[in-house]
Amino acid sequence: DTEVTQTPKHLVMGMTNKKSLKCEQHMGHRAMYWYKQKAKKPPELMFVYSYEKLSINESVPSRFSPECPNSSLLNLHLHALQPEDSALYLCASSQGRPPTTGELFFGEGSRLTVL
Amino acid sequence: SQQGEEDPQALSIQEGENATMNCSYKTSINNLQWYRQNSGRGLVHLILIRSNEREKHSGRLRVTLDTSKKSSSLLITASRAADTASYFCATDRPPGAGSYQLTFGKGTKLSVIP
Repeated sequence: DTEVTQTPKHLVMGMTNKKSLKCEQHMGHRAMYWYKQKAKKPPELMFVYSYEKLSINESVPSRFSPECPNSSLLNLHLHALQPEDSALYLCASSQGRPPTTGELFFGEGSRLTVL
Repeated sequence: SQQGEEDPQALSIQEGENATMNCSYKTSINNLQWYRQNSGRGLVHLILIRSNEREKHSGRLRVTLDTSKKSSSLLITASRAADTASYFCATDRPPGAGSYQLTFGKGTKLSVIP
């Protein structure tokens, strides 16, 4: 069982909606990540938080807005998405502090469909 | 790009056989990791091998790393139907080599037939 919990598991939203994806971990990890994965493709890094501060933004469009309210929580706010944003969004955490990292612990993902 | 390339893209074997997957990468690394992903699920870490290591074992898994050839292999022995999944290698850069990036390869889809 994963120790990183993501909600919701599935989300369907229209292009004008505002929604949020949530991620929680209680392993004391201080690095948290958002990855996006399209079908039959590898995960692609979106954002990295280190000690609750955004340390990496991989040129992600502003319609995706990350937030790290505390060391255990990570949110991804979604607004005015496009159908091509439909994907599996994966949250992960690690004990290591970027720029080096060890094992990543992934959640089960949130399957997003944008209509 | 640092991205690893797995080979083969897809592999189908009978239960009990061994499965070997390969990963090649382009630049120097700090460590290389292998992950497994069941269809539509999250990734699960399998094993991490550091750049100064050549071989590592974990249960039925054996990973080798050849930094001179910039390649790694994952061997799963005595495969089971439950091993059916996609397997990804992931590499990160040495400290001081630039901004953080753990990059995943394209993956090998393994099917183990009962």
